[in-house]
Amino acid sequence: TQLLEQSPQFLSIQEGENLTVYCNSSSVFSSLQWYRQEPGEGPVLLVTVVTGGEVKKLKRLTFQFGDARKDSSLHITAAQPGDTGLYLCAGVYNFNKFYFGSGTKLNVKP
Amino acid sequence: NAGVTQTPKFRVLKTGQSMTLLCAQDMNHEYMYWYRQDPGMGLRLIHYSVGEGTTAKGEVPDGYNVSRLKKQNFLLGLESAAPSQTSVYFCASSYLVGGGRDTQYFGPGTRLTVL
Repeated sequence: TQLLEQSPQFLSIQEGENLTVYCNSSSVFSSLQWYRQEPGEGPVLLVTVVTGGEVKKLKRLTFQFGDARKDSSLHITAAQPGDTGLYLCAGVYNFNKFYFGSGTKLNVKP
Repeated sequence: NAGVTQTPKFRVLKTGQSMTLLCAQDMNHEYMYWYRQDPGMGLRLIHYSVGEGTTAKGEVPDGYNVSRLKKQNFLLGLESAAPSQTSVYFCASSYLVGGGRDTQYFGPGTRLTVL
């Protein structure tokens, strides 16, 4: 049983399209993090959201933490081929424990 | 700075063999972690350490042991490898910021196949 459910699992879109990835749980987290992973490499942290309702922007990426701190979304505007990768959400709780979702594999076609 | 390094990058074992994966970090981080990543499962925490000489179990610790004799190194051992341990193993380290704001820095991974 996954503590964090990510959807969709796979996403293949054309360059210029918008997309949203969701990360849902029945548990409350002290914070939620989003990572991006390229093939053959380790994940790299994109953002940490801490406060319920918090919205953070990173260029064309917008991250939102749900009011109840159980869910989060990642929205990409005008996707580019360089956005291709595996996007992982991770819930942080119990001091320093991280629970990862199963990931969303994004492919942006030129 | 090299960041987080892992040795080896690839390894093939036969069932029942043992091996040790080495993780090293040069960022003076207190916390270190071992994860495994399987298709469709994301990353699952095996063991972690909050400081030199300390270790704790994560989500999937069975079949693995760890040691943190030096602050910069975190070793993951497989005493008797099984095919179910075929996976990609990632090490990570972080420093304490608190409030869930810690940033984990990941190594490049070790791809292990158990035949």
